[in-house]
Amino acid sequence: EVQLVESGGGLVQPGRSVRLSCAASGFTFREYAMHWVRQAPGKGLEWVSGITWNSGTIGYAESVKGRFTISRDNAKNSLYLQMNSLRVEDTAFYFCAKDRAGTYLPDYWGQGTLVIVSS
Amino acid sequence: QSALTQPPSASGSPGQSVTISCTGTSSDVGGYNYVSWYQQYPGKAPKLMIYEVTKRPSGVPDRFSGSKSGNTASLTVSGLQADDEADYYCSSYAGGNIGVFGTGTKVTVL
Repeated sequence: EVQLVESGGGLVQPGRSVRLSCAASGFTFREYAMHWVRQAPGKGLEWVSGITWNSGTIGYAESVKGRFTISRDNAKNSLYLQMNSLRVEDTAFYFCAKDRAGTYLPDYWGQGTLVIVSS
Repeated sequence: QSALTQPPSASGSPGQSVTISCTGTSSDVGGYNYVSWYQQYPGKAPKLMIYEVTKRPSGVPDRFSGSKSGNTASLTVSGLQADDEADYYCSSYAGGNIGVFGTGTKVTVL
């Protein structure tokens, strides 16, 4: 069974940083691209970032480019999102998601971790 | 990287069908056969219902079907049931390892 467990969320001040982690199990992590998707409370889904299996290709939404960095450690079955220069509008649930092989889009999702950016 | 356009709401009576549209551009929906649809209940993670425009993951009822014409993709839910009441989101690959989601549609079963 695919399991994705996010951690690292919480309350952070504007301009500060936070690092999200996602622990993966139930599939061969090193073989799949991964994604981060966010959802502001009561709002729709927004794709944030994606990374291929070998970190060879990485993409970011324009709204986070230059501030967020996605990375992965295949030896630890883990995905990360380093979030710098946080803004109030970055407040959201952040979901880790596994790629549906070859589709460049998510299939399985974690339950999300909430990041609140507020002074 | 604009969000794909979906109607805010759709509804139907039990047993009826409802179709949700998802309009993008030739750079996303129209340019690739990588369109997915997700169902999301309040407070829950999204669930994949359709991938690659028309394919259903194992376990998804065949009442759910997908299609695409030009820059618009569609999800049809046939034989509506009470537990189909949820938010539905489309998503498309947009090239350059970029993804984009739709604005979301709330489906109500009357």
